Amino acid sequence: KAGVTQTPRYLIKTRGQQVTLSCSPISGHRSVSWYQQTPGQGLQFLFEYFSETQRNKGNFPGRFSGRQFSNSRSEMNVSTLELGDSALYLCASSLGGFNNSPLHFGNGTRLTVT
Amino acid sequence: QQQVKQSPQSLIVQKGGISIINCAYENTAFDYFPWYQQFPGKGPALLIAIRPDVSEKKEGRFTISFNKSAKQFSLHIMDSQPGDSATYFCAASVKAGNMLTFGGGTRLMVKP
Repeated sequence: KAGVTQTPRYLIKTRGQQVTLSCSPISGHRSVSWYQQTPGQGLQFLFEYFSETQRNKGNFPGRFSGRQFSNSRSEMNVSTLELGDSALYLCASSLGGFNNSPLHFGNGTRLTVT
Repeated sequence: QQQVKQSPQSLIVQKGGISIINCAYENTAFDYFPWYQQFPGKGPALLIAIRPDVSEKKEGRFTISFNKSAKQFSLHIMDSQPGDSATYFCAASVKAGNMLTFGGGTRLMVKP
């Protein structure tokens, strides 16, 4: 089975712009979660989608949003980019039940905001 | 508020030695505790996970020890190898959903 695929791998944007990141989960996985990884704050949960509905949300401002499509693929959007948004954005997929099925992470999208 | 505290931040171990990483949590609602391994340029990969009804779980050279009363859990890597050199993260979550709270990470270096 193919793993979690994230595109693009690298992205450079200017402060004030917006960006969309894409994630294709493992076939059959219905849950997609997004995490932000920075040297200072570590790994932080952004949100989780299951069957096209946001199931959980982390403590991030409304500039961070996401969605999930009927084929389980997901996108996250960051509007009005700030320098502090520079990070590795990780997508993870799982079967999605309520028994903590293992999360499988992609290799991330490295976003640099200048 | 950091709900999962991980120590040490970095660790150097000789080949063949035992690597020990510790985590402590505050939220008593947590009931799932996974450990992840991350190599540079890669996403975290699940190593091993435990639930609080078990005090220890072993998979190959990796063992999780869990102390519910102390709200602590640890990862032991036996016979550490240079290929184990990576960053290790503990995490915790409540039953519903996949919202993991991660520890700060431990950078492990195993010297040949």
